[in-house]
Amino acid sequence: DTEVTQTPKHLVMGMTNKKSLKCEQHMGHRAMYWYKQKAKKPPELMFVYSYEKLSINESVPSRFSPECPNSSLLNLHLHALQPEDSALYLCASSPLQGAGNQPQHFGDGTRLSIL
Amino acid sequence: KQEVTQIPAALSVPEGENLVLNCSFTDSAIYNLQWFRQDPGKGLTSLLLIQSSQREQTSGRLNASLDKSSGRSTLYIAASQPGDSATYLCAVPNSGNTPLVFGKGTRLSVIA
Repeated sequence: DTEVTQTPKHLVMGMTNKKSLKCEQHMGHRAMYWYKQKAKKPPELMFVYSYEKLSINESVPSRFSPECPNSSLLNLHLHALQPEDSALYLCASSPLQGAGNQPQHFGDGTRLSIL
Repeated sequence: KQEVTQIPAALSVPEGENLVLNCSFTDSAIYNLQWFRQDPGKGLTSLLLIQSSQREQTSGRLNASLDKSSGRSTLYIAASQPGDSATYLCAVPNSGNTPLVFGKGTRLSVIA
């Protein structure tokens, strides 16, 4: 069982819909991450939160809006997505950003399909 | 900019074989190197993390080595089993921070 929980596991939405992906961890980690993974490709970093503040945005389009309401939760708000945004969205956490001796823990991801 | 390369891209072996997966990275100023396993449609499971000061890490049938100066790591899997079939990814922090740069992975098939 993963210690990082992502919901929903699957999401199908139209291009005009608004939806949110959720991620939760109770390991006391203070850094949380969103990655996007296309089929047969490695994960690509989207956002990093450190102590509930956005520290890295990898030039992600504004139709993706992250939110970190508290140290255990990370959301990704979606609006007006494009078919090419269909992918597996992975959440991860680590004790601290920059703590090079600590591994990142990943959730099982949300499989997103844009119609 | 850090680049991570994994060879081979795919590997198929009969059950019981020992095998080696390779990972190379261009910037040797890393804090650690992490090996992950990913099953189809699933998230990533951390297998081993080697800190920059270490040469190797072992967990069960898995052994990962790190040669930081040459920018290389290997993942050795002993006595492979069909349950080992998955994609194996290596990743390193970019510029010493924890955001990870991933290789494209090695897709392993172990045939019974």
